[in-house]
Amino acid sequence: GQQLNQSPQSMFIQEGEDVSMNCTSSSIFNTWLWYKQDPGEGPVLLIALYKAGELTSNGRLTAQFGITRKDSFLNISASIPSDVGIYFCAGQLGGSQGNLIFGKGTKLSVKP
Amino acid sequence: DGGITQSPKYLFRKEGQNVTLSCEQNLNHDAMYWYRQDPGQGLRLIYYSQIVNDFQKGDIAEGYSVSREKKESFPLTVTSAQKNPTAFYLCASSIGGLGETQYFGPGTRLLVL
Repeated sequence: GQQLNQSPQSMFIQEGEDVSMNCTSSSIFNTWLWYKQDPGEGPVLLIALYKAGELTSNGRLTAQFGITRKDSFLNISASIPSDVGIYFCAGQLGGSQGNLIFGKGTKLSVKP
Repeated sequence: DGGITQSPKYLFRKEGQNVTLSCEQNLNHDAMYWYRQDPGQGLRLIYYSQIVNDFQKGDIAEGYSVSREKKESFPLTVTSAQKNPTAFYLCASSIGGLGETQYFGPGTRLLVL
């Protein structure tokens, strides 16, 4: 099946550091979505991107829809302990009517 | 407040027993989905429904069944045919059909006794 490669798989950072994670594919995507999942809870939508090149911020979070439509990144600035969780990317393949494809997640740990 | 609710939060199943997980949404969304999440893995689609009284199998439908009698409700039954049911189950909904932005419920953790 179609693959979404999300990296890194996990990150251990110090409070106050900036974080960057990304999702890449060999295929073109129509949309890119970024979710955060706290332990034992459902994923919560952080940012939705619908156009190539689009750069969108949500507080300390910034995400971009890659210009090639094959990738997206999520940056978190000045991390805080409550940023801990698993971050998922998801997207719909270009030219398809299919369901969202989800990355396997990036697990973020923040040391106070 | 609009949202998606799932119940129960934790569910225990005995061998050979069917159990049903509830999912309700008051967002007036047409489409609803069930995913299974195992540790260290992404989300795998079990079933989805784009409209009332219609649903389609996802990637791992074996051992599961669903119904969509009302727009607001999409219950999932884990049958005794599902040999490895222990997982975290997530329900989601979207305004329109496949590929649209999905909003998730809080999840149900199913454990086998």
